[in-house]
Amino acid sequence: KNQVEQSPQSLIILEGKNCTLQCNYTVSPFSNLRWYKQDTGRGPVSLTIMTFSENTKSNGRYTATLDADTKQSSLHITASQLSDSASYICVVSADYGQNFVFGPGTRLSVLP
Amino acid sequence: ETGVTQTPRHLVMGMTNKKSLKCEQHLGHNAMYWYKQSAKKPLELMFVYNFKEQTENNSVPSRFSPECPNSSHLFLHLHTLQPEDSALYLCASSQDNRAVLIRKLFFGSGTQLSVL
Repeated sequence: KNQVEQSPQSLIILEGKNCTLQCNYTVSPFSNLRWYKQDTGRGPVSLTIMTFSENTKSNGRYTATLDADTKQSSLHITASQLSDSASYICVVSADYGQNFVFGPGTRLSVLP
Repeated sequence: ETGVTQTPRHLVMGMTNKKSLKCEQHLGHNAMYWYKQSAKKPLELMFVYNFKEQTENNSVPSRFSPECPNSSHLFLHLHTLQPEDSALYLCASSQDNRAVLIRKLFFGSGTQLSVL
């Protein structure tokens, strides 16, 4: 069964600190992996998209890594800001079709 | 602004009411989706439309009825809902084209639905 797991379920950090969110997946055949940011009361917004051949991709203070062998991905946030408070969702696509498998998300709270 | 607009943002309805959710995309995409997001659960795909034709119905109860009159508009008609249907309903669009190897979803802000 195609599945995406994320950890931790929630995380609280202080402003300015770094953090890393984890994503494990059992999706086959793998096509690509995305990280989305979802602010409260809003729809998810894409942060990064990585294909099988990409190991890392950055978007400003966000850096995503992918290990296709172990089927793991991480999202590293550097120098966190209050505006980083949101849910971060890992999404794996199994093919070129609409088969997106969503993780449950990690709820990040950045405190002043 | 993602280019996908959903209305209303919030909706409270009784179990005997009939209401509709509306989604409009200004991105020129040809595929549109309805997702359900319940608290602490992954997004659940409900319906997919490609070029106005429904290509996927993910075992959704008949009390949810989608309508896609053209590639830019998508509706979700609701009737005789249950309290467990309370959730955030998200619309998304993408460009469905074999030349596009990575299909990117653009989401609207969602409609927060409460069924009393």
